Amino acid sequence: SQQGEEDPQALSIQEGENATMNCSYKTSINNLQWYRQNSGRGLVHLILIRSNEREKHSGRLRVTLDTSKKSSSLLITASRAADTASYFCATLQSNTGNQFYFGTGTSLTVIP
Amino acid sequence: KAGVTQTPRYLIKTRGQQVTLSCSPISGHRSVSWYQQTPGQGLQFLFEYFSETQRNKGNFPGRFSGRQFSNSRSEMNVSTLELGDSALYLCASSFSAGAGVGELFFGEGSRLTVL
Repeated sequence: SQQGEEDPQALSIQEGENATMNCSYKTSINNLQWYRQNSGRGLVHLILIRSNEREKHSGRLRVTLDTSKKSSSLLITASRAADTASYFCATLQSNTGNQFYFGTGTSLTVIP
Repeated sequence: KAGVTQTPRYLIKTRGQQVTLSCSPISGHRSVSWYQQTPGQGLQFLFEYFSETQRNKGNFPGRFSGRQFSNSRSEMNVSTLELGDSALYLCASSFSAGAGVGELFFGEGSRLTVL
């Protein structure tokens, strides 16, 4: 499978704490994106990082990319109860006709 | 700008039946891709269409098919339904395809239950 793997599978934290989730992938990529999904809903795009970038910020989100280790991390700072959702990384893989592969997801629960 | 619209949102079918799901992308978007999401397998890529042509196809049996119309709207069809086809089917649109594609815009999905 060319899907990415994310860890942890589930994460439970208190409101105000930071949440970090990691994504590993297997082949060369054009870009890596993070998406959020509330239960039973569609995915919402959070942030995109290109293969030649190492770090990117957007509001309370910070994404890093290490292409040598084929891994990425998503940090959500000062978490809120509304951040409770599943988070997926998606890689645009150049060796498969530029097809997206989604990771297995991290289920984040933020306790008020 | 209206988002990606998927219909129907919920449907129940029995084994052996067929189903057609519809997706209207964001105005101006020419690429539509489909994904199957199940608890066990996560998000699995089905196929991608760009300007009425199928660009990519995932590893699904021939019972799964799709098409795209000249207005970029897309449909996917599953014939001879099996219990394992129960899933959330997600459609995503983007302006471009290939190496230059940016973010995907997802619809709310069509929840298919096969009894």
